[in-house]
Amino acid sequence: GAGVSQSPSNKVTEKGKDVELRCDPISGHTALYWYRQSLGQGLEFLIYFQGNSAPDKSGLPSDRFSAERTGGSVSTLTIQRTQQEDSAVYLCASSLGTANTGELFFGEGSRLTVL
Amino acid sequence: GDSVTQMEGPVTLSEEAFLTINCTYTATGYPSLFWYVQYPGEGLQLLLKATKADDKGSNKGFEATYRKETTSFHLEKGSVQVSDSAVYFCALLRGGNTPLVFGKGTRLSVIA
Repeated sequence: GAGVSQSPSNKVTEKGKDVELRCDPISGHTALYWYRQSLGQGLEFLIYFQGNSAPDKSGLPSDRFSAERTGGSVSTLTIQRTQQEDSAVYLCASSLGTANTGELFFGEGSRLTVL
Repeated sequence: GDSVTQMEGPVTLSEEAFLTINCTYTATGYPSLFWYVQYPGEGLQLLLKATKADDKGSNKGFEATYRKETTSFHLEKGSVQVSDSAVYFCALLRGGNTPLVFGKGTRLSVIA
């Protein structure tokens, strides 16, 4: 597609349920990033993929969070046993090439609300 | 660790007013600095960047100068328009495999 596509755009779930958030990066972009944007907070880095591997998982807040990327393209962020503090907008971004230039292309985000 | 501090918003200006959004950073070494903008209903997009001290990034009438002595990268525009209403994020990149580190964002509202 023309840009980074994220789904669902909005998700409301009950505490304790698992959720999956999907990111479809720009075609040909090898790097993919997940960030979280909470109310009143900046963008919190979660995880980064180069191809299918994740050199940096340091930002994942707990072991309830996991992510994978297959075929060097689509990525899924999974949150197990959701808690209310997981409510946030989850942003995905991609960038071209292996050099880390800081020039990211963001999707519109998936807004997660945990009741 | 690395961090970015932006002035708190919201900032409300009349059309054609001068804009300054302050940004200071803390980082080891010599990071690259960025401003990203998020228009209503859209994803963040890169506005401008500077990769070394005294560099000036500019785009769409906005500019910011990388000041190593004050560890700052303030965003300025001489005459804002209603269409500039958005949330502006300052960010730094230390390089290697480190991720972009963002500030909390500053919401700008421009009224006609």
